[in-house]
This record gives sequence, C-alpha cells and structure tokens, in this order.
Amino acid sequence: EVQVVESGGGLVQPGGSLRLSCAASGFTFSSYSMNWVRQAPGKGLEWVSHIGGTSTTIYYADSMQGRFTISRDNGKNSLYLQMNSLRAEDTAVYYCARGSAATAGYYYMDVWGKGTTVTVSS
Amino acid sequence: SYELTQPLSVSVALGQTARIPCGGNNIGSRNVYWYQQKPGQAPLLVMYRDYNRPSGIPERFSGSNSGNTATLTISRAQAGDEADYYCQVWDSSTYVFGTGTKVTVL
Repeated sequence: EVQVVESGGGLVQPGGSLRLSCAASGFTFSSYSMNWVRQAPGKGLEWVSHIGGTSTTIYYADSMQGRFTISRDNGKNSLYLQMNSLRAEDTAVYYCARGSAATAGYYYMDVWGKGTTVTVSS
Repeated sequence: SYELTQPLSVSVALGQTARIPCGGNNIGSRNVYWYQQKPGQAPLLVMYRDYNRPSGIPERFSGSNSGNTATLTISRAQAGDEADYYCQVWDSSTYVFGTGTKVTVL
C-alpha cells in the first residue's frame, strides 16, 4: 500500500524549533518529489515546501523562506521539515504529500498523510 | 503572485449537479488539479490536469478548464460528496491553492 505517515508535531514556544518527519512506503521514494502542506485551524490549504527526488530542486513558500528547511533521505524513505523561529501563525496541521514522478513535469500531490499537528504557544 | 478564487460555498440538492468554479487569470492555459477534503481527513486528489480522474474516483466527477475559469462538476450528488474542495495550479515555482469551496448536499 502506498502511504506516507507524518510525525514530530507538538507544542512549542514562540521562537522555538521543531523537526517534522514523514515516512514513505509502498513506492520508489527517490522517484518522486515530495511536499509539505499545512492547514491552520479552520483555514484552507497552504503549500509550504517542495523537494525533488534527488534534492536538487527545492522550493519554499515566501512566508516560510529562511525559517523552514526541507530535506529527504532516500536511503531511509523519509522526508523532513526543520522549522525554526516558529510563530503563533505557524500553528497548523502539517501534511506530507507525494508529488509527481520526477520525469513527469507536472506539479500536484496524489498521496497525502493524515497530518501532524504543530501548536506554537507560550 | 497568482491567485485562485473560489466561492465560499455551493449547495446542491441530492441527486442534482454541483458546479464548483475556480477563477484565475488565463487559468485555461494551466493544468488545474482538484482536491476533496472531508472534515478531519486529509485532502484527496479527485481531478488532475483539468479533466482526468485518478483511479477510484467516481465518473460522477468531471472537470473542465477554459478562459479564466476551471470547473469541477459533481453529477448526481450524494451525501458523501459533502466536503471542502480546493483547486490548485503551479505558478512561478510555487503551488497555488484556491480559497476552497464548501459543498453542501441538501
């Protein structure tokens, strides 16, 4: 079964850091781009970051640039999001989502995890 | 930055047809994707590249894209179709999501 499972969420104080992880299974991880998408309580979907299959291509949403770092370990079939200088407005459910195959040239997400909740509060 | 506009809500009678618009400047020249999200669940891809259904998505779901509006159409609406729906495009190295539409089946 193709799936991704997030972990690492929790309660963190403003200004703090957190590292999210996403474990992938059921597909050739290195052949797909991966993404993080978040959803604040009661709000819509907000894309956070994208990483290509070989990590050579990385993109961030403007509001996350410089504070968040996406990475992956293809040997461990894992995706990560290092979040620093966290703010109250970063409070959200963070989803790991599989992107398209590396050779496809399309940008969408076809496999989503259930999400992990990050709460930034003192 | 590119923006996608969706109505806040769409209501449809059971068994009738719901149409969910997604507006964007010349969106017809882009590939549009649609996601369904039910309360407490992760998003689910229901349409890709304008009008293609992923495996497992009922034929009742269809898509179109032309000019400044892309549309997701749900035919013979069922109670299980109640959800939030988001459109998405790729623009300038970013994924852009629409504002989301809550579909209510009456």
